[in-house]
Amino acid sequence: EPEVTQTPSHQVTQMGQEVILRCVPISNHLYFYWYRQILGQKVEFLVSFYNNEISEKSEIFDDQFSVERPDGSNFTLKIRSTKLEDSAMYFCASSQQGARGTEAFFGQGTRLTVV
Amino acid sequence: EDKVVQSPLSLVVHEGDTVTLNCSYEVTNFRSLLWYKQEKKAPTFLFMLTSSGIEKKSGRLSSILDKKELFSILNITATQTGDSAVYLCAVGTSGTYKYIFGTGTRLKVLA
Repeated sequence: EPEVTQTPSHQVTQMGQEVILRCVPISNHLYFYWYRQILGQKVEFLVSFYNNEISEKSEIFDDQFSVERPDGSNFTLKIRSTKLEDSAMYFCASSQQGARGTEAFFGQGTRLTVV
Repeated sequence: EDKVVQSPLSLVVHEGDTVTLNCSYEVTNFRSLLWYKQEKKAPTFLFMLTSSGIEKKSGRLSSILDKKELFSILNITATQTGDSAVYLCAVGTSGTYKYIFGTGTRLKVLA
């Protein structure tokens, strides 16, 4: 069964460092998302991506964040200068259509710890 | 502001019990409601509901949507310890690309 894969599963980084979280969405999906979940809190939307551009982003997704689809399969989230409060589980998701029509499938997540 | 609220926040039951989890929403231009099960990491998809009154069923799990009253319920019958998880409700709306999640209901099933 096709699945969304994320790497690494766990990343520890020092405050101020740049991190890149990687995702391979399901191959025939067109919409890609990043969500995050701070420990004990709800899943929060960060950004959605369609047709090689950001289609929507939340207030959390400030200038420190960027996304890219560098080739036909990978979808990355970059945090330029990490802060302690960026520590969270980051989930990549993909769907065939947007949130209007089809379900999103989530990867296993990358646990980011900023020290 | 769009809002998704789940209740109860947590629930402890014994194997064999039936549970009902609730999700209510206040959003603009509702399109779909999704239920996910989150055990240790990734939310795994359970159901997507778009039409009122039509029950979706998978084994011991079932869900129904009431678009007039703006809520959905997830039922689990004959619960097993493997049903222990956080159950998440998410809503998709027309005009946006995001799903809005509730805080989840943490279910613990005791043997």
